[in-house]
Amino acid sequence: DAKTTQPTSMDCAEGRAANLPCNHSTISGNEYVYWYRQIHSQGPQYIIHGLKNNETNEMASLIITEDRKSSTLILPHATLRDTAVYYCIVRSRSNDYKLSFGAGTTVTVRA
Amino acid sequence: DAGVTQSPTHLIKTRGQQVTLRCSPISGHKSVSWYQQVLGQGPQFIFQYYEKEERGRGNFPDRFSARQFPNYSSELNVNALLLGDSALYLCASSLGGTGLVGEQFFGPGTRLTVL
Repeated sequence: DAKTTQPTSMDCAEGRAANLPCNHSTISGNEYVYWYRQIHSQGPQYIIHGLKNNETNEMASLIITEDRKSSTLILPHATLRDTAVYYCIVRSRSNDYKLSFGAGTTVTVRA
Repeated sequence: DAGVTQSPTHLIKTRGQQVTLRCSPISGHKSVSWYQQVLGQGPQFIFQYYEKEERGRGNFPDRFSARQFPNYSSELNVNALLLGDSALYLCASSLGGTGLVGEQFFGPGTRLTVL
């Protein structure tokens, strides 16, 4: 699976949008971009995934660049409960079983 | 619907002992994966089982083993515990199936402390 690069940490003001970048310059054509988050002492929680089109669900939006070498997870109105470690993971279609977690981005939402 | 459940929540063992951790997947999910998360790091893949067969194994020693039962629940066994085995052990379930890309849903984990 392709490796990803994320900033170590970032702060966000409550009520504002949080934009989390992820670089995956070696991504191949059949690899998806997945985002998970992990609130302290809990199991990771699935957020969203995409292949090449932008995606949106009730939690977040995922913007993937046209060349697919980077993406941005957008939390539209961050709340204190969104404070967590966010993981960007690239995963192949044929590799159903494995998620390769990096260090992720620690997001702190401040009141 | 119940999510992924794991037991026990916390466990304290001493070096050299053996431990068994249990996981029940979401109803209808046939795939179970196990991850180890050491403090301050992201989860690391240990095993995946689908339809009672091992589909994948991470870079862990043979002291780690697992199995999946006909009801799709799973057990992770660790023998000859070392201090370095202290971690949060996570179970994740998914629908599974060859070639399918699907979300994995994680349980709350079992916190293992080895003294």
